[in-house]
Amino acid sequence: NAGVTQTPKFQVLKTGQSMTLQCAQDMNHEYMSWYRQDPGMGLRLIHYSVGAGITDQGEVPNGYNVSRSTTEDFPLRLLSAAPSQTSVYFCASSVVAGGYNEQFFGPGTRLTVL
Amino acid sequence: KNEVEQSPQNLTAQEGEFITINCSYSVGISALHWLQQHPGGGIVSLFMLSSGKKKHGRLIATINIQEKHSSLHITASHPRDSAVYICAVSSGGNQFYFGTGTSLTVIP
Repeated sequence: NAGVTQTPKFQVLKTGQSMTLQCAQDMNHEYMSWYRQDPGMGLRLIHYSVGAGITDQGEVPNGYNVSRSTTEDFPLRLLSAAPSQTSVYFCASSVVAGGYNEQFFGPGTRLTVL
Repeated sequence: KNEVEQSPQNLTAQEGEFITINCSYSVGISALHWLQQHPGGGIVSLFMLSSGKKKHGRLIATINIQEKHSSLHITASHPRDSAVYICAVSSGGNQFYFGTGTSLTVIP
């Protein structure tokens, strides 16, 4: 199993550009989520999904869209990139939703918005 | 307001020392997680606790539900233990709260 994969590993965007961060898992996990990690702050939840076709907002959803058309894939779209979106983005998955489930993290995408 | 507080923020130890990292939380939880993030960024789950104590090799995690406190201990520390250790709690549903992490450096 590849686990949770993310592409790209690094990305530089100009303000106003759009892009999609890809996330895929091959463990048949129902729950997938996107976090951003900023210096001096804990991981913050952007969006999550409890199954194909079901998504919901987390703590910091503004400026991001998600969709979940398959169990395996959970892309994160930046609609119009802003410097405040410079961050490291992590995708994670677990078997089901709920706190007593181990989360598996992808390797992260380091995004810089100029 | 931070639902999860970790201490210390930074920790430097000599190889072989016993290390303790603390985590306090302010919400009711269904589980507490300890995560490890190595330089280069990857995050792995070390422990998931809802009560008591767990041990994996040289790592021990404890939790006191009444005091809303958990500790991560590393015995006989080694330079390969150098990483950021993150405490996270889940309060039920789909929400996790993360601490800001403790950066550990173990010097040979």
